[in-house]
Amino acid sequence: AQSVSQHNHHVILSEAASLELGCNYSYGGTVNLFWYVQYPGQHLQLLLKYFSGDPLVKGIKGFEAEFIKSKFSFNLRKPSVQWSDTAEYFCAVKSWDAGNMLTFGGGTRLMVKP
Amino acid sequence: DAGITQSPRHKVTETGTPVTLRCHQTENHRYMYWYRQDPGHGLRLIHYSYGVKDTDKGEVSDGYSVSRSKTEDFLLTLESATSSQTSVYFCAISEIAGGDYGYTFGSGTRLTVV
Repeated sequence: AQSVSQHNHHVILSEAASLELGCNYSYGGTVNLFWYVQYPGQHLQLLLKYFSGDPLVKGIKGFEAEFIKSKFSFNLRKPSVQWSDTAEYFCAVKSWDAGNMLTFGGGTRLMVKP
Repeated sequence: DAGITQSPRHKVTETGTPVTLRCHQTENHRYMYWYRQDPGHGLRLIHYSYGVKDTDKGEVSDGYSVSRSKTEDFLLTLESATSSQTSVYFCAISEIAGGDYGYTFGSGTRLTVV
């Protein structure tokens, strides 16, 4: 079955540390890729998205993600995290092969210690 | 924030009772989605709609039904609630199938079935 995997369920970092959250998908063919963030008690918000072109995508709040087609990966990065980045992060994939619906990964809960 | 509201925000209900959750949008978006969010599972698609009276099942549709009689309203019904349906339910909307510009999410409904 087609799936989206986020390997790290919980990540704890200190402020100013670098962040990388993994995302792998199993869809073939053309995909659109997304990262969403959910701050405590809030709804999901779009961080960034990739459709085509430059595989390094920059989003809001200093986040970026790199699409590596050969590895079926779309990892999220931030050079220096802040306490306010404490949230849950979801990778999502839209595939024409999967009926054009977004499929979400299981999420990674990030805690940034001040 | 975008014009999408969910009601109620919180609900506690007893096993075996019917429950209806409402999603209302003012954006005139064609596509509407119901997801449930559970720890470790991320968001899983329950049902979606691609127009008035046009709906289809997602990956976890058993025990749920939906209706869309107007563009702005998408109702999710649990015909006979079970404890396994305790979850946070999110509605989302998009202009294009799968949300090329990202989904807009509602604030969620926390449902507890006792």
